[in-house]
Amino acid sequence: EDQVTQSPEALRLQEGESSSLNCSYTVSGLRGLFWYRQDPGKGPEFLFTLYSAGEEKEKERLKATLTKKESFLHITAPKPEDSATYLCAVQDGGSSNTGKLIFGQGTTLQVKP
Amino acid sequence: NAGVTQTPKFQVLKTGQSMTLQCAQDMNHNSMYWYRQDPGMGLRLIYYSASEGTTDKGEVPNGYNVSRLNKREFSLRLESAAPSQTSVYFCASSEALYRSSYNSPLHFGNGTRLTVT
Repeated sequence: EDQVTQSPEALRLQEGESSSLNCSYTVSGLRGLFWYRQDPGKGPEFLFTLYSAGEEKEKERLKATLTKKESFLHITAPKPEDSATYLCAVQDGGSSNTGKLIFGQGTTLQVKP
Repeated sequence: NAGVTQTPKFQVLKTGQSMTLQCAQDMNHNSMYWYRQDPGMGLRLIYYSASEGTTDKGEVPNGYNVSRLNKREFSLRLESAAPSQTSVYFCASSEALYRSSYNSPLHFGNGTRLTVT
């Protein structure tokens, strides 16, 4: 069964303290892995798409990487405004070819000044 | 840019009542989706519409119906609300056809918070 697991569930950092969020997945043929940011009371906001192992994408203090089994979202020198829930989602391209997007449960990040 | 607009933002229903959640996008996207988000469950796909005139079931379709009214609008209907349908509902749209090989990201609205008592 296709599955996406994010860890940790919650993460508290001091401003400037770098860390990484993990997204591990099992799907039959990965088409794409997506990272989203979700602020309280808002819908998810798209950050990155990764397609193949070894690929990396960067945006400001965020960098996403992809291996065959997992993705990491690295946060370098975070600021309080980076506080949010970060969602990982995968799109499978297996035999069913539905392109279904499967979401993880998210990691809630709190950055304290 | 409005993006994806959902109405209403909040709704309280009694068990057995019906209602329709509205969604409209102004990005000329082909595909539209309805998700629900529950604590500890992540986002789960209810229904989707790959293109105008087509709809398909997602992971949790029971108790819901949808209508793709035109390219812009995709509504979700609860015919007889149940407490288990208390959730936050998100509408999303994407540029590419859902089953195509081109992966375009989903753009989400800000949700409808529904409580069924």
